Amino acid sequence: DAKTTQPPSMDCAEGRAANLPCNHSTISGNEYVYWYRQIHSQGPQYIIHGLKNNETNEMASLIITEDRKSSTLILPHATLRDTAVYYCIVRLSLTGNQFYFGTGTSLTVIP
Amino acid sequence: DAGVTQSPTHLIKTRGQQVTLRCSPKSGHDTVSWYQQALGQGPQFIFQYYEEEERQRGNFPDRFSGHQFPNYSSELNVNALLLGDSALYLCASSSKQGVSGKTQYFGPGTRLLVL
Repeated sequence: DAKTTQPPSMDCAEGRAANLPCNHSTISGNEYVYWYRQIHSQGPQYIIHGLKNNETNEMASLIITEDRKSSTLILPHATLRDTAVYYCIVRLSLTGNQFYFGTGTSLTVIP
Repeated sequence: DAGVTQSPTHLIKTRGQQVTLRCSPKSGHDTVSWYQQALGQGPQFIFQYYEEEERQRGNFPDRFSGHQFPNYSSELNVNALLLGDSALYLCASSSKQGVSGKTQYFGPGTRLLVL
């Protein structure tokens, strides 16, 4: 499975967009990009996933570059409740369901 | 619609003891995966169960074993506990059906402390 690289920490002002980058330069054509977040030792919460196209849901937007070597998770209007560790994961869709988590990005939303 | 549930929420054991953790998957899901999360680290995959069989396994010793029941619920057993087994144990459920990447949904976890 492809490995991901994320900055260890980021700050964002409340109400502003939070843009969380992820590099996955060794991703292969049939690997999905997933984003999860974990708030203070609760179970990870699913945010969004994509394969090639940009995706948007009620929580966030996922922008995947054309070469698929990197992606950005966008929280359009960050709130204090968005303070969490955000994990970017790539997963081979055909061989099962294990996810390989890194250490993620610790996002702090500042009032 | 109940999500993934786990029991107990917290557990304290001593070295050498055995522990059993339980997980009920989200309604409609048939696959259960278990993860171990040490303090300050991301979750590490232990194994996955589907159709009552272990299908995939991460880099964990045989002291870690599991079971899946006909109702898709699952147990994680750890024998001969070590201090290093202290961690948050997470259960995630998903479905083999569907083409949208088989998204996993996580439970709240069981916090295990080994003294």
